[in-house]
Amino acid sequence: GAVVSQHPSWVICKSGTSVKIECRSLDFQATTMFWYRQFPKQSLMLMATSNEGSKATYEQGVEKDKFLINHASLTLSTLTVTSAHPEDSSFYICSARTSGDQETQYFGPGTRLLVL
Amino acid sequence: DQQVKQNSPSLSVQEGRISILNCDYTNSMFDYFLWYKKYPAEGPTFLISISSIKDKNEDGRFTVFLNKSAKHLSLHIVPSQPGDSAVYFCAATLWGNTPLVFGKGTRLSVIA
Repeated sequence: GAVVSQHPSWVICKSGTSVKIECRSLDFQATTMFWYRQFPKQSLMLMATSNEGSKATYEQGVEKDKFLINHASLTLSTLTVTSAHPEDSSFYICSARTSGDQETQYFGPGTRLLVL
Repeated sequence: DQQVKQNSPSLSVQEGRISILNCDYTNSMFDYFLWYKKYPAEGPTFLISISSIKDKNEDGRFTVFLNKSAKHLSLHIVPSQPGDSAVYFCAATLWGNTPLVFGKGTRLSVIA
């Protein structure tokens, strides 16, 4: 199946710093990538949808100036958590969808962020 | 309003028996449904899917059943194995470039 990678797999940072998370589709071109956040014991919460070469579409309640998403190529999307605070500590997961399969999403392994 | 519901947060099954995970949805426009399996600190892994034009899809030990009139789907795992212990998410979507809507997940524990 299609492979999606994320980097880093975990990161610890100080409050006020920015953190960039990369999501790559390794063996296919991803026209659309999604960013999710998972809180403990809760479902995956969609944060934003990004299409290659265009601005990301953010879900209600997600601050676009805080969670910067860039989808500069068909294999790479980045999520930057700007001025991170402890409440941003979470598990961030990306997924990618191929142009040939409009339904199935392939997920990355996730990035655990801890803001001190 | 939660459009996809998994009402059982957890389920325990003995090894070798059948595991049945249930999922209900409220949006009758959904036409494609997926099940994902998730281990702690990992991303979800696609398991099996079903289109609304079918009522059953089988892949090895995994079978998904869809009852459109009841807006209900279920995932059957038989025989259950200890390695199946994970959180299972049900997801639904509309045809085309729309994001998945997930349920809250059901934690399956398969006891040896």
